[in-house]
Parts: sequence; C-alpha cells; structure tokens
Amino acid sequence: QQPVQSPQAVILREGEDAVINCSSSKALYSVHWYRQKHGEAPVFLMILLKGGEQKGHEKISASFNEKKQQSSLYLTASQLSYSGTYFCGTERGSGGSNYKLTFGKGTLLTVNP
Amino acid sequence: GAGVSQSPRYKVAKRGQDVALRCDPISGHVSLFWYQQALGQGPEFLTYFQNEAQLDKSGLPSDRFFAERPEGSVSTLKIQRTQQEDSAVYLCASKKEHYNSPLHFGNGTRLTVT
Repeated sequence: QQPVQSPQAVILREGEDAVINCSSSKALYSVHWYRQKHGEAPVFLMILLKGGEQKGHEKISASFNEKKQQSSLYLTASQLSYSGTYFCGTERGSGGSNYKLTFGKGTLLTVNP
Repeated sequence: GAGVSQSPRYKVAKRGQDVALRCDPISGHVSLFWYQQALGQGPEFLTYFQNEAQLDKSGLPSDRFFAERPEGSVSTLKIQRTQQEDSAVYLCASKKEHYNSPLHFGNGTRLTVT
C-alpha cells in the first residue's frame, strides 16, 4: 500500500520552514525519508523506527506517530540546497516482509533566494 | 568507498528489442533492490535479492522482466521484447543489513523505448 504524501509541492524563500507529511493506512515498522534532485539518485536522509529511535546524518528532524501511522519531516531555516523531491518510504511490520520499502509519490520542494 | 554503480546511464531501444541493465552494489551489501521510476512518480519496487537469492519478485510487471544476481554481487535486470510502457528510469539500490538500514541508490538507467 503506497503511503500518501502531502503537500504535493511547496515553494519557500530561503530561511523559511516547511513540513512534509507521510501517512499510511497499514501498520508500519519504520519510515525512511529520501531527497532526490533532478536527474540524480535519491539520497538517504533519515530512518524513523517503531519505538522512537531515529537514524540520520543531516540537520533535519522528523517524527513518527506509530498509532496514526504518520511521519512528518521538518525542514527549518531552509537553504537553496534543500530544493528537490522528498520521498517517504515505508516498511511494513509484518514478519519477513520488513525489508521492502514502498515509496510515496513525492513532495517537490523549491527554495528560492 | 564507491557507491552503487549502474550502466548504461541511458539506453534507447526499439520496440521489441531486448535490453540488459547492470548494477554494481556497494561492496559488502547483502541486500539489492531494483525499482522502476516513472516521470514525476516515486520509485516502484520491482524485485529484491539477499546475496544471490531472489526473495521477492512480486513487483516485476510481466514475465518479460527477469533479474539475476548469480554470485551475490553484480545484478542484471533484463527486459525482453521491450514495449513503450517500459520507458522509465530503473534504479538499483543496496543496503548493508536486511532491514533498519538505509538504501543506497545508483544514478539509474534511463530507458527509452521508441
């Protein structure tokens, strides 16, 4: 089941904040966030695990509401380099099928000077 | 170290031709995935390998699509008798652990079927 992302697109001025949401109708084991620039590979941003653990390496933050099967990505003080399409990927929490990431359709973020 | 490498970067095929897309994952990554990405869409799962074993091929759109990873390293995605609807970017990704670890994507192969 494909997760639903919102908004589909957002335009910011440099320094502004944005929130991107991801929701699923199925129970989730974890949520991943990736950013993809035009013509490039998706790049890993963060993993949020059931139980609250987060793994990431960039200066962004995110939340994972297990009960609501929702995750939000928080981009603060946006920079021009934040522009790109953001995808959430969800792993289902059903036994051996944890491995497969199902991606949303993406949120196009544009940061202008 | 080196990232995931895919070749060719671009491929144009005439309808009906067979194509082979190559993926060289990060050394030591046991899990390898193939995804298909249409323009303006998110990556769609095609198939998954753990070492040389293909554990899931539920996303392959038809029996014209075939993937292999015979020695648990390099993988090849083959599409037989290509159709226009096969035009897309094919992404390969690998990860170190079975789960709870990030996917590392290659730059993809853009396939155009004319």
